[in-house]
Amino acid sequence: DQQVKQNSPSLSVQEGRISILNCDYTNSMFDYFLWYKKYPAEGPTFLISISSIKDKNEDGRFTVFLNKSAKHLSLHIVPSQPGDSAVYFCAASATNTGNQFYFGTGTSLTVIP
Amino acid sequence: NAGVMQNPRHLVRRRGQEARLRCSPMKGHSHVYWYRQLPEEGLKFMVYLQKENIIDESGMPKERFSAEFPKEGPSILRIQQVVRGDSAAYFCASSFLSSGRGYEQYFGPGTRLTVT
Repeated sequence: DQQVKQNSPSLSVQEGRISILNCDYTNSMFDYFLWYKKYPAEGPTFLISISSIKDKNEDGRFTVFLNKSAKHLSLHIVPSQPGDSAVYFCAASATNTGNQFYFGTGTSLTVIP
Repeated sequence: NAGVMQNPRHLVRRRGQEARLRCSPMKGHSHVYWYRQLPEEGLKFMVYLQKENIIDESGMPKERFSAEFPKEGPSILRIQQVVRGDSAAYFCASSFLSSGRGYEQYFGPGTRLTVT
């Protein structure tokens, strides 16, 4: 049972434009969400997080939006750069499940120069 | 300030052999997590450990898999009598405090296990 879903396996964006990566979840108990970035042959790198008490968190070119009623979050990258090309995973956890993060299957972003 | 270390990076085992994967958490981190990524799938939680304690092993297969995090030394994920379906990338992560409450996990580079 995939509780966190990333329905777009891949996304291509022109350099300088906005990249929008989407993530849906099914468990309404999730209260903490993260985005990780992964390059080939490396481990995931933490990018940005958001708590369920917020609907937006911004860090430089990266902004995460959370829509709790729709059980949907998105990552916006503006402006997109070629170095952003990687696989992006969203993850979620719930206080009552302790320390387990549930990961989506990832979206491969390609930023075209 | 070394990050999470995993070794070996690549491990090849024949069916029926044992695989031992090692993870050294970031300095100062006492929480270790193991995840598995099968081809075309996301990361799946396996186990969460603190020093000398298994806190949550709800993601571990019931047989052949075990994990430990001794008082001294790295955390070990052990797979006995490996089968082809165990071929995957195994990632270790560590955190300073208990995650899920506002503290992110830092990942190692992973060990890619291939069972022939």
